[in-house]
Amino acid sequence: DTAVSQTPKYLVTQMGNDKSIKCEQNLGHDTMYWYKQDSKKFLKIMFSYNNKELIINETVPNRFSPKSPDKAHLNLHINSLELGDSAVYFCASSPMTGAVNTEAFFGQGTRLTVV
Amino acid sequence: GNSVTQMEGPVTLSEEAFLTINCTYTATGYPSLFWYVQYPGEGLQLLLKATKADDKGSNKGFEATYRKETTSFHLEKGSVQVSDSAVYFCALSDRNTDKLIFGTGTRLQVFP
Repeated sequence: DTAVSQTPKYLVTQMGNDKSIKCEQNLGHDTMYWYKQDSKKFLKIMFSYNNKELIINETVPNRFSPKSPDKAHLNLHINSLELGDSAVYFCASSPMTGAVNTEAFFGQGTRLTVV
Repeated sequence: GNSVTQMEGPVTLSEEAFLTINCTYTATGYPSLFWYVQYPGEGLQLLLKATKADDKGSNKGFEATYRKETTSFHLEKGSVQVSDSAVYFCALSDRNTDKLIFGTGTRLQVFP
């Protein structure tokens, strides 16, 4: 059983298109995240949701819109894709917010290539 | 703001060599500290963690000690294997903002 699963694993699309990446966790965690990893492997948090509510929204273009239908799912929708959006996007979840030993469990990543 | 600084890679070692990957942090308060590992083509996995000063995290032969006085959390392993080749990320968890902040990652390459 995969704890945090993302689909698709690979996504190649043209500039200007709209695409979504889905994420589901079966760990019963309250908090879910989206991270972006660029070509130099640098990881940056984009969003964090706790029980379907937005907690963290970093400086991300508003073309990126997360949606959490329930606490087990956090999908990422991207409008008007640009070349600079090409990256690996990781979904993650953690048991609770503000915990002393909060650790995040990561999905396998979605490699997005915009051409 | 809070941040994590890691040594730049790649780190290239022969099998059975000693490994150190340096990590220092800047934080207000008392964060938890983590090392994550990313094997080729995979997501990040927690390798070890420490939640307070002087704690030592250990797993799979890797160790790191939470040093408040030097704000460091260096990763060490006495004898690396080819299978340890991966990218290693140091991270801190800010309880106030609920962010997990990562360093830039250090690529380790181990040759037989």
